[in-house]
Amino acid sequence: ILNVEQSPQSLHVQEGDSTNFTCSFPSSNFYALHWYRWETAKSPEALFVMTLNGDEKKKGRISATLNTKEGYSYLYIKGSQPEDSATYLCAFDTGGFKTIFGAGTRLFVKA
Amino acid sequence: DAGVIQSPRHEVTEMGQEVTLRCKPISGHDYLFWYRQTMMRGLELLIYFNNNVPIDDSGMPEDRFSAKMPNASFSTLKIQPSEPRDSAVYFCASMTSGRNNEQFFGPGTRLTVL
Repeated sequence: ILNVEQSPQSLHVQEGDSTNFTCSFPSSNFYALHWYRWETAKSPEALFVMTLNGDEKKKGRISATLNTKEGYSYLYIKGSQPEDSATYLCAFDTGGFKTIFGAGTRLFVKA
Repeated sequence: DAGVIQSPRHEVTEMGQEVTLRCKPISGHDYLFWYRQTMMRGLELLIYFNNNVPIDDSGMPEDRFSAKMPNASFSTLKIQPSEPRDSAVYFCASMTSGRNNEQFFGPGTRLTVL
């Protein structure tokens, strides 16, 4: 059974704080690691897809890193804003198009 | 592009009734996925199709669940008979191969079985 774990489950930060959370995944059969942003009452939206060990991706204040050898990825948010409040999902992709989602980290940013 | 379209957005039904959820993928996408989201189990893949053919249905919980994709622009997920434990949000997503496997999700159908 492939297990994708995200931590923490939830996180409360103040506006302006920088924060990060972790996605752990199996280190074998790796094809890609996806990060999605999921706002309440909306559908998940893709943030990043990373395929190579050492990949770093950035979109505005959000960035992500990937370590496929040890099976983890970090998502960083610099200077959190209330509009960053969402659940951040990671998904482990073995290349067979069957992605395994983590349970998500729910971020609350207080103004 | 309208994105992935799902209907209905909300469905309330009684135990034992048949429920049909519908999905229209993004035009040109050759993969379609059905997911179920619950508090207990998070986002689970139920089944996915490639070029209208079911590829992996190992996530379908039991025989009461069935999915079809009669053409490239339409898929259904049917539950018959429905049970209260089927209450969840059901998402449909589509994807085109060769685009880093990025999936585009529909707005979901919130199903409540009384």
